[in-house]
Amino acid sequence: QLVLTQLPSASASLGASVKLTCTLSSGYSDYAIAWHQQQPERGPRYLMKVNSDGSHNKGDGIPDRFSGSSSGAERYLTISSLQSEDEADYYCQTWGAGRVFGGGTRLTVL
Amino acid sequence: EVQLVESGGGLVQRGGSLRLSCAASRITFSETNLNWVRQRPGKGLEWVAYINTRSTTIYYADSAKGRFTISRDNAKNSLYLQMNSLRAEDTAVYYCARDDYGEMDVWGKGTTVTVSS
Repeated sequence: QLVLTQLPSASASLGASVKLTCTLSSGYSDYAIAWHQQQPERGPRYLMKVNSDGSHNKGDGIPDRFSGSSSGAERYLTISSLQSEDEADYYCQTWGAGRVFGGGTRLTVL
Repeated sequence: EVQLVESGGGLVQRGGSLRLSCAASRITFSETNLNWVRQRPGKGLEWVAYINTRSTTIYYADSAKGRFTISRDNAKNSLYLQMNSLRAEDTAVYYCARDDYGEMDVWGKGTTVTVSS
């Protein structure tokens, strides 16, 4: 079964970097995923697609501070030079016959 | 800029029905695959249903099968979600999202559905 696993929370200091992880279930390690950001009281926003080879394609207007990478069944979202507006929930999402979301990671910027 | 605007949410009694709509602009709607995604209060994103450009491929989450119907009218640039036999656990914000071969790359702002018991 295609499942995405994310840690429920993460934190990092203003100006620092953070790396969020999304893990694909066994047998699906070659799947691409997408990352989405949801700021408080707002709808989701597409950030990027991350392929199994680590390449990524960002959405329009997404700052260079956001990047993606991969290792095995793990897909990463790295945010550098953290700003207060990066405090949000981050969801990974993938697709097969249907579509699947991870449980989300709430990022706190200290 | 591509826009998706949901409407049709509201308060409905348990067991009742509701039809959500999603209007699209600044896209070639007939060439766009689409999803409905919901978010229950305080919870994460949950995919509900998918429809391809010609309505020939439709997928539902288990929670939607048998009660919800996704459809579209390409002439009206509109996506729909017919929800029947509504339950308290269907209370959520419902979003439509463009599907670019799997990834959801454009989102609407959502419409709120509240099912009262």
